[in-house]
Amino acid sequence: AQKVTQAQTEISVVEKEDVTLDCVYETRDTTYYLFWYKQPPSGELVFLIRRNSFDEQNEISGRYSWNFQKSTSSFNFTITASQVVDSAVYFCALSEINYGGSQGNLIFGKGTKLSVKP
Amino acid sequence: SQTIHQWPATLVQPVGSPLSLECTVEGTSNPNLYWYRQAAGRGLQLLFYSVGIGQISSEVPQNLSASRPQDRQFILSSKKLLLSDSGFYLCAWSGTTPGANVLTFGAGSRLTVL
Repeated sequence: AQKVTQAQTEISVVEKEDVTLDCVYETRDTTYYLFWYKQPPSGELVFLIRRNSFDEQNEISGRYSWNFQKSTSSFNFTITASQVVDSAVYFCALSEINYGGSQGNLIFGKGTKLSVKP
Repeated sequence: SQTIHQWPATLVQPVGSPLSLECTVEGTSNPNLYWYRQAAGRGLQLLFYSVGIGQISSEVPQNLSASRPQDRQFILSSKKLLLSDSGFYLCAWSGTTPGANVLTFGAGSRLTVL
């Protein structure tokens, strides 16, 4: 069975601190996708990144970076120099590489609530 | 550009009452459509998805149902709400080509059943 674990329920940091959100996944599939979504207080989920299991290269986008390690089944997310606007719930998700409607069946972790204080 | 609308944004309903949540997508044709539920303290769970008009797949057995009467319209319904139906309901769409599984979500509908 597929499973995503985000062990950190809540994290609180002071602005400008770096913070890493952990994500560990379980799957029997050899090919899969991993995602991160951001849910600000407004509630709408915002897509941040998708990573194919074939591609283990780390990625950096501005203050955001992602560390994908298949050996430890982890896909961690780091925010550098955090800002108050980064305050949100962050979800890690996993999906099989399917076709048709079921390709949108993402297995989500329970989320990590990040609070960035000024 | 594509946009997705959900309404109502907030709903408070008594146990046993009916439910209808509506979702529409603009700017794309023949999308895959999804209903997810986010219960308090839990992650998101896929309830239904649809690959076309009248085609509904259910992922979780419950007293909810979904319908897709038009290409870009997706409706979540219940004949009689339970307390356990309370939660945050999110509609999403994706493309239909293989690998097009980046979901774009609506703003959500918060349902409280009393």
